[in-house]
Order: sequence, then C-alpha cells, then structure tokens
Amino acid sequence: DAKTTQPTSMDCAEGRAANLPCNHSTISGNEYVYWYRQIHSQGPQYIIHGLKNNETNEMASLIITEDRKSSTLILPHATLRDTAVYYCIGGAGKSTFGDGTTLTVKP
Amino acid sequence: NAGVTQTPKFQVLKTGQSMTLQCAQDMNHEYMSWYRQDPGMGLRLIHYSVGAGITDQGEVPNGYNVSRSTTEDFPLRLLSAAPSQTSVYFCASSYRYALGEQYFGPGTRLTVT
Repeated sequence: DAKTTQPTSMDCAEGRAANLPCNHSTISGNEYVYWYRQIHSQGPQYIIHGLKNNETNEMASLIITEDRKSSTLILPHATLRDTAVYYCIGGAGKSTFGDGTTLTVKP
Repeated sequence: NAGVTQTPKFQVLKTGQSMTLQCAQDMNHEYMSWYRQDPGMGLRLIHYSVGAGITDQGEVPNGYNVSRSTTEDFPLRLLSAAPSQTSVYFCASSYRYALGEQYFGPGTRLTVT
C-alpha cells in the first residue's frame, strides 16, 4: 500500500465546500485511492474511492490528479455533522490509516 | 444484514488476564482485519485474513493471536493483557483483499489495569 500524507487539521465554514488534500506519490498504477471518515470514536465509515477518473457519489467528490500523486476530497456543502477525522488510503490491501485530517466545520 | 458486529463493547482486564474479542460479518466477505486505535492516533493494523484458514500479521501483532475457521468469524485473542494494550479495537471486512471498501464494526473499548 502507498504511504499517504495529509494535513493535520482544517477548518471549514458551514455551508461552504470543504476541500481535503492528500498526497500519495508512491501509489502504484493499479491501486485505488480510498477515503474514510471517523466521527467521534465510531468505526471509520467509507466515503468514496477512485483510480484515475474523478468520482462523485451522494456524500462527496474525489478529484485525482493526472499523475495520480495526489487527490482532493470535496464535501460540497459542509454541515456540522461533517466534523470528523478524514483518512486517505492508498490501496485496499493491508491498509495503513495514518493520523488523517481533523476537519472542524464551524457555524 | 447486520454488517460487522463486535462483542463486547467494553471490557476491563487486569494485567496478565487473557480474553477473546469477537468479530463477525454476514456479508460473505473474504477479507477481515483487526485494528487498534490509541487515543488521538490513527488505526494500526494488528492481524488480517484473506480467507478462511489464512491469517497474517499486520504492523503491531505482538501480544495478539487470531484464527479464521469460518468466513464469518475472526476472533482476536489477547494472550496476557498488558496496560499498553489499552485501546479501542476495530474489526473490519471487505469483499476481497485489495479490492473494495472496508466495513468497520463499532469497536471494543478495552482497558487493562
């Protein structure tokens, strides 16, 4: 699995878009990028994944750069309930969850 | 589907005691894994299994044993509990190793005194 790097924390105003970056420069060509989030001390929750193309689902959008060395998770209209730790994972095998990004959505 | 279930939710052990954390999934997933999460930290992989009868070590396996006799169950055994094993333990499963998103259980909060 690829090593990933994420900022430690970010703030976002309620109703605005939250853009969470992730660097995964060592990702191999056939490894997907996965995003999860963890609210309080609950089990992590899957958000979205992608390989090369940008992806969108009901929760978020995922933008992957053409060289696949980085990606951005976009929460289009952040709410207070989106306050959580967000993890970016390179690959889906023996996944290593780093410390993630703590996103705080403020009123 | 119940998804991934874990028991117990909370447990307090004394140093040197042993116990088994239970994990079950009803999604017919091949891949199952155990993580521990210490306060303020990310998740670290303890052991994983790519199918019934097959297990392997993750990054922090010392002090833990696992077995996978069925597709559904993946118990984690603490052999001789130590205060350093105080943590929250999460079990997860996915369709197949290196394929598909992981589904996580609610966690077991373990305190070793």
